Amino acid sequence: GAGVSQSPSNKVTEKGKDVELRCDPISGHTALYWYRQSLGQGLEFLIYFQGNSAPDKSGLPSDRFSAERTGGSVSTLTIQRTQQEDSAVYLCASSLVRASETQYFGPGTRLLVL
Amino acid sequence: SQQGEEDPQALSIQEGENATMNCSYKTSINNLQWYRQNSGRGLVHLILIRSNEREKHSGRLRVTLDTSKKSSSLLITASRAADTASYFCATDAQTGANSKLTFGKGITLSVRP
Repeated sequence: GAGVSQSPSNKVTEKGKDVELRCDPISGHTALYWYRQSLGQGLEFLIYFQGNSAPDKSGLPSDRFSAERTGGSVSTLTIQRTQQEDSAVYLCASSLVRASETQYFGPGTRLLVL
Repeated sequence: SQQGEEDPQALSIQEGENATMNCSYKTSINNLQWYRQNSGRGLVHLILIRSNEREKHSGRLRVTLDTSKKSSSLLITASRAADTASYFCATDAQTGANSKLTFGKGITLSVRP
């Protein structure tokens, strides 16, 4: 079956603009995660969804970042008033039930804020 | 600080040699996983080892887990140029129902043809 997909693959935006990043998890996976990876760095956890609710938002770096998930499927990560330090690869992953299981990653969205 | 920390940060070997990468962590875990990443894109799951397991094999990969030392190692035998990638260990930081994986910063492996 299809893996995790993310769109867009690449996004270039101007400082101050809002951006929306989309993630389509594997069908039937109830857990979904967003991570951020800056150049040459590890993964920074942003937010975790179980179904449509987000029990762990602890990684969101500021109130400019928000995420939602609808229908237990698609998730959107929104960054408002983007800053240059938001430039990174944003990765989405899903797992069948629990966060500590094997996670399946999408290809990521490479965001560049000019 | 990171729950999982890999060592070394970078490793360069000749094709055919074995590559050993290490991961240390701080708190008790339920399982530890290793992932691979090519070219800064999505990660691919390699292997999961549970806290009650000591060793696990998958093809050319061998993972060990020592819970007393809070460490794990990933061995890639007979390396190939195609094994060039970044490798990450991830541990679950279980806190009630909201368990999640915490990733280390990764090891950059270069395999010279």
